[in-house]
Amino acid sequence: QSALTQPASVSGSPGQSITISCTGTSSDVGGYNYVSWYQQHPGKAPKLMIYGVSNRPSGISNRFSGSKSGNTASLTISGFQAEDEADYYCSSYTSRSIYVFGTGTKVTVL
Amino acid sequence: EVQLVQSGAEVKKPGESLKISCKGSGYSFTNYWIGWVRQMPGKGLEWMGVVYPGDSDIKYSPSFQGQVTISADRSISTAHLQWSSLKASDTAMYYCARHATGRVDYWGQGTLVTVSS
Repeated sequence: QSALTQPASVSGSPGQSITISCTGTSSDVGGYNYVSWYQQHPGKAPKLMIYGVSNRPSGISNRFSGSKSGNTASLTISGFQAEDEADYYCSSYTSRSIYVFGTGTKVTVL
Repeated sequence: EVQLVQSGAEVKKPGESLKISCKGSGYSFTNYWIGWVRQMPGKGLEWMGVVYPGDSDIKYSPSFQGQVTISADRSISTAHLQWSSLKASDTAMYYCARHATGRVDYWGQGTLVTVSS
């Protein structure tokens, strides 16, 4: 099972919107509405930010949103803040009844 | 409150065996898949596999099938990840992860495994 493809890095200025893409295949991202996104700060465990393509868990800011088109999912951070600087990973359920993570994106403040 | 508490850091030599654990609390342990995620130093997350404590069904990523064993003991609400013969390349942080439909909703704090001669 190959990892989902994400850009290695994305940068943004405070207040801007940034978008991270996550590309898979019809056997994972394109075939199921089970795409989730995780935020990981250095030395910390990952944290669920988006599930079911576009749903936010309780307590997650509405500045975070998710979408999907075909085999590509996206995470958008609106009103980018310094505290959003972290690594972000997408994940998808797959046709093999297992999960796969994306390659990860390092988000930095300009 | 849902909690996943993992066993402590381990330092082992190549060829040794190891079993690490993850104790769940605050929820019905038998009703959720629980699995393991590897993160090698400076690298990304890798999904290893899951076990359903209710019936001990197990699913492995092809990358980890045959390399590790995942199990669960529902009598003590604990999941395990074990190796029969460690390699230096097994050096990593290992997270346990509770799976709800289509996502990991809770994570353990991580167990650092270091394999060095």
